[in-house]
Amino acid sequence: SQTIHQWPATLVQPVGSPLSLECTVEGTSNPNLYWYRQAAGRGLQLLFYSVGIGQISSEVPQNLSASRPQDRQFILSSKKLLLSDSGFYLCAWSVAGGTDSGNTIYFGEGSWLTVV
Amino acid sequence: AQTVTQSQPEMSVQEAETVTLSCTYDTSESDYYLFWYKQPPSRQMILVIRQEAYKQQNATENRFSVNFQKAAKSFSLKISDSQLGDAAMYFCAYRSPYGNKLVFGAGTILRVKS
Repeated sequence: SQTIHQWPATLVQPVGSPLSLECTVEGTSNPNLYWYRQAAGRGLQLLFYSVGIGQISSEVPQNLSASRPQDRQFILSSKKLLLSDSGFYLCAWSVAGGTDSGNTIYFGEGSWLTVV
Repeated sequence: AQTVTQSQPEMSVQEAETVTLSCTYDTSESDYYLFWYKQPPSRQMILVIRQEAYKQQNATENRFSVNFQKAAKSFSLKISDSQLGDAAMYFCAYRSPYGNKLVFGAGTILRVKS
């Protein structure tokens, strides 16, 4: 079965420091990968998605970037964190293609980022 | 652009009773997918149930079922025989088959009383 892992689970970083959150998926090939953010409040916002190695689409302009160096690895980065980057970050995956199962998105455990 | 609305910020239910969470959405597409996700205190998003818009039959997963009214653009979640472990934030979400984005509602906090 497929599993998704992301780390670290919790991170406290000073303003201006770099960030790297990693996510890996096991048990599937060529998945679609996503980074979501859930700020204080409730809603989830799509930050980035990727349909293949080196293919990144950004949904909103921001201080963050994403990379996909390997098929099942997705990395969220920042060179200099802002206070507003604090939040809960969720990596997710779906099966590539237009099938019914491909339209279901599965989430990782999430990473809490506090910028101080 | 599609939007999802959950009009109930909080709901409470007695253990073993039934509760219904409401969700409406707005779209001009005829084909799409609807989801309910559960987010317990651990914050992990867990898929509860999925509905394909082209299917007339309402989806069910054990104690969870939906009432999908396509014409009314309504997608409610019914939880039967509520358990303490059902306490969580529940999100309704929409996905177009032509895009990669899940559009979420604001969420409903469900409290289960013993």
